[in-house]
Amino acid sequence: ETGVTQTPRHLVMGMTNKKSLKCEQHLGHNAMYWYKQSAKKPLELMFVYSLEERVENNSVPSRFSPECPNSSHLFLHLHTLQPEDSALYLCASSQGLSYEQYFGPGTRLTVT
Amino acid sequence: KQEVTQIPAALSVPEGENLVLNCSFTDSAIYNLQWFRQDPGKGLTSLLLIQSSQREQTSGRLNASLDKSSGRSTLYIAASQPGDSATYLCAVRDSGNTPLVFGKGTRLSVIA
Repeated sequence: ETGVTQTPRHLVMGMTNKKSLKCEQHLGHNAMYWYKQSAKKPLELMFVYSLEERVENNSVPSRFSPECPNSSHLFLHLHTLQPEDSALYLCASSQGLSYEQYFGPGTRLTVT
Repeated sequence: KQEVTQIPAALSVPEGENLVLNCSFTDSAIYNLQWFRQDPGKGLTSLLLIQSSQREQTSGRLNASLDKSSGRSTLYIAASQPGDSATYLCAVRDSGNTPLVFGKGTRLSVIA
């Protein structure tokens, strides 16, 4: 596989479920990002990791919990979500924080 | 706080037409600006990255210009094709370590 991959591509979960989104980059990058894209709103940055350390947390509710076990993998753990959390969740990576970002295909999340 | 605006929100043109997409930003002291393409329900593909010291970048039929002093960038697409139909997103970075700030995008339809 090349580039940035995300699994699953689609996820439907109830408000009491716990699930995780996975992102993997095969580009040798050392920075990874989670974004949320809701209808008719700009992309919202959620979390940034650089060299496996979290460097940005944009006031994201605690029901979203990121994990970066190594420079190639990034997870977003979800629990007790709300219907308004339904969105496309995009992962990206870059060589460094100021470098061009490469995006994965996204996970379409629906919370029922 | 940096804000990015893209006008128009949607654009429909006949195949073969040259077109310009606009991006404006409120704080002109940017580090770089990036144009992305997003197909429906998919991730973002980076098209062009312009550093603050550059005036333009070209890739194939695409040309992006940057006028920092007026807080504007344009993406010029020559000889448009139906395959160019997508949403085009503009994003700016204020400094080397700050996150990208995205506009809402322009949804382009090229009619055969």
